[in-house]
Amino acid sequence: DAKTTQPPSMDCAEGRAANLPCNHSTISGNEYVYWYRQIHSQGPQYIIHGLKNNETNEMASLIITEDRKSSTLILPHATLRDTAVYYCIVWNNNDMRFGAGTRLTVKP
Amino acid sequence: DSGVTQTPKHLITATGQRVTLRCSPRSGDLSVYWYQQSLDQGLQFLIQYYNGEERAKGNILERFSAQQFPDLHSELNLSSLELGDSALYFCASSLDPGLAGLGGANVLTFGAGSRLTVL
Repeated sequence: DAKTTQPPSMDCAEGRAANLPCNHSTISGNEYVYWYRQIHSQGPQYIIHGLKNNETNEMASLIITEDRKSSTLILPHATLRDTAVYYCIVWNNNDMRFGAGTRLTVKP
Repeated sequence: DSGVTQTPKHLITATGQRVTLRCSPRSGDLSVYWYQQSLDQGLQFLIQYYNGEERAKGNILERFSAQQFPDLHSELNLSSLELGDSALYFCASSLDPGLAGLGGANVLTFGAGSRLTVL
């Protein structure tokens, strides 16, 4: 079983922030949280990763709770092109599995 | 262009046949990963190679095999093909700093995939 839990689907209005939650209650101290997205049968695209601190890059922000048991990916101004399946992943070197992800639909 | 090259992009073949999918990793990356994605299904991890050696194995069938060559490119061989093997096959690569003794995050870069259709 994947080590993360995500809602199967979410909607977001264009131009608004999209906040995608993820639970990873069994995460170990040295395991990173990674976020990827997959736009309709394209190869998964890396978005961001973090260990303990909140992170921000040109695509998104990642907020990790202090106990590291959950995180939130924030797309600050969602566009129609952000419609995709978003995967929250916690990997170790022997288990590189993806979960089912969250299907985000950005609506006009 | 992610830097990970997969060939062929599309492949149509018949049941019982054998095919080979090829992956060239991003320059500098030492690990290669293979994933299978059937229609409307999630990404299934098949296998990982690091610097020529198998490092992790997922849900790979016995009819499937893979290898990583000295130049670090990888091939996934699928034999005795069945209708259910029709899928997108993705290759990803990473430096894998953990295995390189550097520590830190292991960010995978994915190719565009090879779409296999078995008729």
